[in-house]
Amino acid sequence: AQSVTQLGSHVSVSEGALVLLRCNYSSSVPPYLFWYVQYPNQGLQLLLKYTSAATLVKGINGFEAEFKKSETSFHLTKPSAHMSDAAEYFCAVTIYNQGGKLIFGQGTELSVKP
Amino acid sequence: NAGVTQTPKFRVLKTGQSMTLLCAQDMNHEYMYWYRQDPGMGLRLIHYSVGEGTTAKGEVPDGYNVSRLKKQNFLLGLESAAPSQTSVYFCASSARTAMNSPLHFGNGTRLTVT
Repeated sequence: AQSVTQLGSHVSVSEGALVLLRCNYSSSVPPYLFWYVQYPNQGLQLLLKYTSAATLVKGINGFEAEFKKSETSFHLTKPSAHMSDAAEYFCAVTIYNQGGKLIFGQGTELSVKP
Repeated sequence: NAGVTQTPKFRVLKTGQSMTLLCAQDMNHEYMYWYRQDPGMGLRLIHYSVGEGTTAKGEVPDGYNVSRLKKQNFLLGLESAAPSQTSVYFCASSARTAMNSPLHFGNGTRLTVT
């Protein structure tokens, strides 16, 4: 069965600093990978997705992620953090014959200090 | 356009009581999902549906039942609530499978079982 592991339940950065949120996946077949963001008291929203096209994927709000098969990773980055980026971020995985099931990681809470 | 609406927003139950959580979407989506969110565990899939009249088990289905009698509604039932079911419940929908379409989430139902 496929799964994702997010390293670090809480990450804190200063405004303007690099954001790096880590996600490693486990799958016996090519995965489809996603990052979702959850702002306080809201549901999740899609940030970006990898579906076997380009390995470097760009998403909304300046975020991007790179699929690295050799490292089984799909880390999320943003060159310069904004205060508005403070939220919880979830990595998720599915595979093509799973009938729509999306499996989420444990989540990483991002704090941005002024 | 309301998107995904969950009812109620908050509920407190005593152990052994029953209740139904209602999810309604107005986007004509085929797929619908129920997740629970617990601290440090991310989102875990309870049940999902790939179309009207169909349901399937997710990662943590025990203690829950679901029904999808109408395409726009997905109901989650707790027949005999237990304290372990204290959680935030999220409903989501997607036009097609999760790998092809983003999930649209409701704002959640916070359930406390005493």
